[in-house]
Amino acid sequence: GQQLNQSPQSMFIQEGEDVSMNCTSSSIFNTWLWYKQEPGEGPVLLIALYKAGELTSNGRLTAQFGITRKDSFLNISASIPSDVGIYFCAGQNGGSGYALNFGKGTSLLVTP
Amino acid sequence: GAGVSQSPSNKVTEKGKDVELRCDPISGHTALYWYRQSLGQGLEFLIYFQGNSAPDKSGLPSDRFSAERTGGSVSTLTIQRTQQEDSAVYLCASSKGLAGAYGEQYFGPGTRLTVT
Repeated sequence: GQQLNQSPQSMFIQEGEDVSMNCTSSSIFNTWLWYKQEPGEGPVLLIALYKAGELTSNGRLTAQFGITRKDSFLNISASIPSDVGIYFCAGQNGGSGYALNFGKGTSLLVTP
Repeated sequence: GAGVSQSPSNKVTEKGKDVELRCDPISGHTALYWYRQSLGQGLEFLIYFQGNSAPDKSGLPSDRFSAERTGGSVSTLTIQRTQQEDSAVYLCASSKGLAGAYGEQYFGPGTRLTVT
């Protein structure tokens, strides 16, 4: 599958701060998705983006599908301790039955 | 409603033994995927099933890996003659299989496989 470069690799922030992470690819994707994974659990879908330039919010989370279709970012506003986890970006372009290509994740730690 | 379930949650096996991992997708979801997640890594696609079509096996790392899906629902991933490098979390996901919604894949909790 295609490689997605996700950054930063980890973040250590204080409660209340805003967070931004992004994902880039050398290939074009038709769909960008963001998942959150907590220890011992499977990834949980946060936001799905289907159109270049699309900006979508889910509560305190906002994600954008880059105009070039090769990147996406996720912002978390006013972080809280339960935001702790690993955030993965994933891209999909219809190949391999629409299998997802994942980044390596951004590990987020939030201190009270 | 019930989400994707997987069993067992943990499996420890000796090198060379065969293992079977099971996935029950969300009811009504026609597409089913298996992924593998090694420690500290993202998810790696293994195999995809859609309805009654032949599966897409392009992600399977070797011929020791196989999977089947019976009756368009439950799936079993089999690893023969396990090796230590097979140690990972194996995740199953399902989706509605509809155009435009393939991306909305819902994951099970995974099976943590340890090969000793």
